[in-house]
This record gives sequence, structure tokens and C-alpha cells, in this order.
Amino acid sequence: GDSVTQMEGPVTLSEEAFLTINCTYTATGYPSLFWYVQYPGEGLQLLLKATKADDKGSNKGFEATYRKETTSFHLEKGSVQVSDSAVYFCALSGVNSGGSNYKLTFGKGTLLTVNP
Amino acid sequence: KAGVTQTPRYLIKTRGQQVTLSCSPISGHRSVSWYQQTPGQGLQFLFEYFSETQRNKGNFPGRFSGRQFSNSRSEMNVSTLELGDSALYLCASMVGTTSPGELFFGEGSRLTVL
Repeated sequence: GDSVTQMEGPVTLSEEAFLTINCTYTATGYPSLFWYVQYPGEGLQLLLKATKADDKGSNKGFEATYRKETTSFHLEKGSVQVSDSAVYFCALSGVNSGGSNYKLTFGKGTLLTVNP
Repeated sequence: KAGVTQTPRYLIKTRGQQVTLSCSPISGHRSVSWYQQTPGQGLQFLFEYFSETQRNKGNFPGRFSGRQFSNSRSEMNVSTLELGDSALYLCASMVGTTSPGELFFGEGSRLTVL
């Protein structure tokens, strides 16, 4: 079945540092890939997405590129801020013979703490 | 516009009891999904409804059930509660007619089973 593996946290960085959170996936067909973010005490919010190979999703300075050859969707940001402290989830939307299976498979999440 | 609303936000039950959680999706969204979030297992898919029909179901026992009403509001029920059912239950909605759609999550219902 579908699965997502993302790097274990927690990750602690200083403000303005470069961020990479690795994510790899296993899925049949051509899934869509997502990064969601969960701020303390809040629900998950979509951060960015990519729906086909070589697509780059971007939002709020975060980027991730859909790499089918390496089955990866690593999240990057050039300069993190204290306000980026949150839990980040990589996810995929699988497909079946009828198209989307309308289900997200999530990674375990990576806690990011950014210190001033 | 109003986001996804889940009630109750917190509840405590004892083993063997049952619980019903409610979710009101964003206006115009016809798809509602439910996820269980625990520290050990992370986020796991429970089921998804669109226009009152279940389109997909996760690998949970039959004690977990759900339904969707004609106004797109959804409920999930867990019967014969076990300690391991303690979790944050998240509801998410999307328009549901395009794939893949963006999911909008509520803040969750935190269930504690004693």
C-alpha cells in the first residue's frame, strides 16, 4: 500500500538558517504530493502541493519538487523564522483504477523549532 | 468564510462507552474525511464521505463508523471504547468534485478514554 517516510525530528534551527525536511514515498501510479503544517493548538493547513512529476510547489518561502525518479518530495526554505515553528507533515493522495482514492496518507510529522 | 467546525473539542469517556463526534464542513464543500491522530501512529485515515456516500474507508475495526447528512455535516461514532481509542480526531472537508482537492482541517476533537 501507499506509504510516506519523512525524517525524524525534532529539528532545531536558528533564525535565518536553511531548512530541509526529507520526504520519500511509496505509491502505485502517479500520486499527488502535499506538505501540511500544524501550528500549536491548530488544525492542519495545506502548505504546498504538486500533482505531477517535476512540479514544484511553493508557498510562504517554502518549496518542494516532485521527484518521481527518487520518489521524493523534500521540503526546503532558505531562511526560517521563529514563526515557522510547527509540525510539518508530508502526505500523498493515492490513486486507484477509478482515479483518486480521496485519501491522504501522511508521514509521521517533523517538529521544527526555530530559535531567535 | 467559516472554517471546519468540530464538536465537542474535548471529551472524556470510560472504556465500553460510545462517543459521537460532529463535523460541519466549509459551506459548499461536499466531501468530509475523518482522521485519527496519535503520537504513536500519526495521522491515519478513517473514512471519507461525499454526498452522503462513503467513498473510501481506512483499516479500522467496525466499532468506528460514520455518516454524512444531506447538508454535508458529518458524524463519526466509536462504540465500545478502548483505551487505545484515545486520540485527536480530525475532520477535513473539500469541495469533492475535483481530484486531488485541498483538504481543510478542523481543530479536532480530543478524546480521552479512561
